Amino acid sequence: GQSLEQPSEVTAVEGAIVQINCTYQTSGFYGLSWYQQHDGGAPTFLSYNALDGLEETGRFSSFLSRSDSYGYLLLQELQMKDSASYFCAVRDRPGGYQKVTFGIGTKLQVIP
Amino acid sequence: DTGVSQNPRHKITKRGQNVTFRCDPISEHNRLYWYRQTLGQGPEFLTYFQNEAQLEKSRLLSDRFSAERPKGSFSTLEIQRTEQGDSAMYLCASSLELAGDVTGELFFGEGSRLTVL
Repeated sequence: GQSLEQPSEVTAVEGAIVQINCTYQTSGFYGLSWYQQHDGGAPTFLSYNALDGLEETGRFSSFLSRSDSYGYLLLQELQMKDSASYFCAVRDRPGGYQKVTFGIGTKLQVIP
Repeated sequence: DTGVSQNPRHKITKRGQNVTFRCDPISEHNRLYWYRQTLGQGPEFLTYFQNEAQLEKSRLLSDRFSAERPKGSFSTLEIQRTEQGDSAMYLCASSLELAGDVTGELFFGEGSRLTVL
């Protein structure tokens, strides 16, 4: 089956940098995505890594190492509005068709 | 097109009743997913469609759950004989997936929150 592990909670100071790690075990791995979800809101897409390396989108960067089955999301210049849950999600193909499986999420609290 | 639309947004029902949720995906999207999310957890995969074909169902989806996507447009998720354990947020997501061009982005609706009393 598929399993993803990420820390349940992280606290960081406004203006700082925080890294949220994700390790996964899946079959037929295609790529790793990150989603942000504010309380009461819908998950929204942040980034996708299919190949090893770093992808940068503004203050957010995402990294993937396929050989280590590991990725992380890096948030820089933290703002209070970044307080949310962050989910890593794996695109895999256990039964012949690609599907997306989510981790349990990391709740980020940004403090002044 | 303003995005993925789900209704109703909230549904309170008594145990044993049937409920149906509707999802209208972004119009050109060929793939549609249903997820269930409970407090403090990530979205849990239920099923997904490629156009009108239901490609996979989670083992978590008991025979009380059925999903359809007639004509590859909107989708419905029906839960029969609801149980208190069915209380959750039911999320729908859609994506446009073309061969060799997978960006991995799912577009989620705001969800339908089910409370079973």
